[in-house]
Amino acid sequence: EPEVTQTPSHQVTQMGQEVILRCVPISNHLYFYWYRQILGQKVEFLVSFYNNEISEKSEIFDDQFSVERPDGSNFTLKIRSTKLEDSAMYFCASSARGRGSTEAFFGQGTRLTVV
Amino acid sequence: QQQVKQSPQSLIVQKGGIPIINCAYENTAFDYFPWYQQFPGKGPALLIAIRPDVSEKKEGRFTISFNKSAKQFSLHIMDSQPGDSATYFCAATYRDRGSTLGRLYFGRGTQLTVWP
Repeated sequence: EPEVTQTPSHQVTQMGQEVILRCVPISNHLYFYWYRQILGQKVEFLVSFYNNEISEKSEIFDDQFSVERPDGSNFTLKIRSTKLEDSAMYFCASSARGRGSTEAFFGQGTRLTVV
Repeated sequence: QQQVKQSPQSLIVQKGGIPIINCAYENTAFDYFPWYQQFPGKGPALLIAIRPDVSEKKEGRFTISFNKSAKQFSLHIMDSQPGDSATYFCAATYRDRGSTLGRLYFGRGTQLTVWP
């Protein structure tokens, strides 16, 4: 069964450092998303991406965040200067285009710990 | 503004019981209401979803009841099992650009524990 894969599973970084979280969406999917979940809280939308540009972003997704699809398979989330409050589980998701394709498939997540 | 409100925050039932998780939404433009199941250390996985043109949808032991006028929907788990112990999130969204999936607005989650 196709799945969304994320690397690394856990990343520890010092405050102020840049991090890049990587995702390989399901191969025939065209819409990509990043969500995050602070420990014990709800899953929050960060950004959606289609056709090499951002479709929508939330208020959380400020200038410190950027996304990129550097090649045909990877989708990355970069945080330029991490803060303590960026510590969370980050989930990548993808969905297909077309009638009935309304399911978002989530990866297993990357736990980011900022110290 | 909390677009989707979910309750209860936690729920404990005996095996065979019928836990019910409730959600309410505000945006009448939402037209797709999925429920996600999340086990510790895993990402959310789609469990069951409903559109507002039906009042109930059943898949196996999982049933969604939908009340459009009240802007509420709920998840019922029949004959609950210890393996159902997980966090359940309701969500809502609207389809963007035709049939593609828009941003998901999640509820705060319900931690379900099913005792054997």
